[in-house]
Amino acid sequence: QMQLRESGPGLVKPSETLPLTCTVSGGSINNHYWSWIRQPPGKGLEWIGYIFYNGNTKYNPSLKSRVSISVDTSRQQFSLNLTSVTAADTAVYYCARHFNIGHPYFDSWGQGTLTTVSS
Amino acid sequence: DIVVTQSPGTLSVSPGERATLSCRASQNVSSNSAWYQQRPGQAPRLLIYGASARATGIPARFSGSGSGTEFTLTISSLQSEDFAVYYCQQYKNWPYTFGQGTKLEI
Repeated sequence: QMQLRESGPGLVKPSETLPLTCTVSGGSINNHYWSWIRQPPGKGLEWIGYIFYNGNTKYNPSLKSRVSISVDTSRQQFSLNLTSVTAADTAVYYCARHFNIGHPYFDSWGQGTLTTVSS
Repeated sequence: DIVVTQSPGTLSVSPGERATLSCRASQNVSSNSAWYQQRPGQAPRLLIYGASARATGIPARFSGSGSGTEFTLTISSLQSEDFAVYYCQQYKNWPYTFGQGTKLEI
């Protein structure tokens, strides 16, 4: 069964870069799209962006200038970097798998990792 | 961006009763909508995709309907584990967007 696990620092200072990694197990990272989605405390879900296993990406325009997503297929990992963070970036960050190519809904999710932006 | 609006914000229902949750998209998304369930402290779980197809392992008491701009999630007979927050998502256009959620409470 596909499993995803997010990892990251937990606490990031304002204006710095938030780095997160998602490790995929129980299946191949190849031939799938992978997304990052976040959820501020007590609020709804926001799609951040996706990456295909070949490195093609698409980002939410609201975050595009600050977001980059990369993939390392040899390690079965994909990563998120969010630059110039503020308190508004405090959220639970999820990684998720797209159901299939051309079907961008999310059938497997990580457990989420809370990242707090604070000095 | 396509705005997704869910109603009501909170729905109070008794176990065994039927619950109907609504979702509206600001533009026509055809059948490109999905529903997720999120229990406290957990990640969302895919329930419905393509407006009406149940995801693997989802009980038959969950059903989805609608197309265009109006969608409905119906839970036919509520079980204790169904009390959670439900999110609607459109995936017709990127950025993919979610509704603000409906909290289903006892």
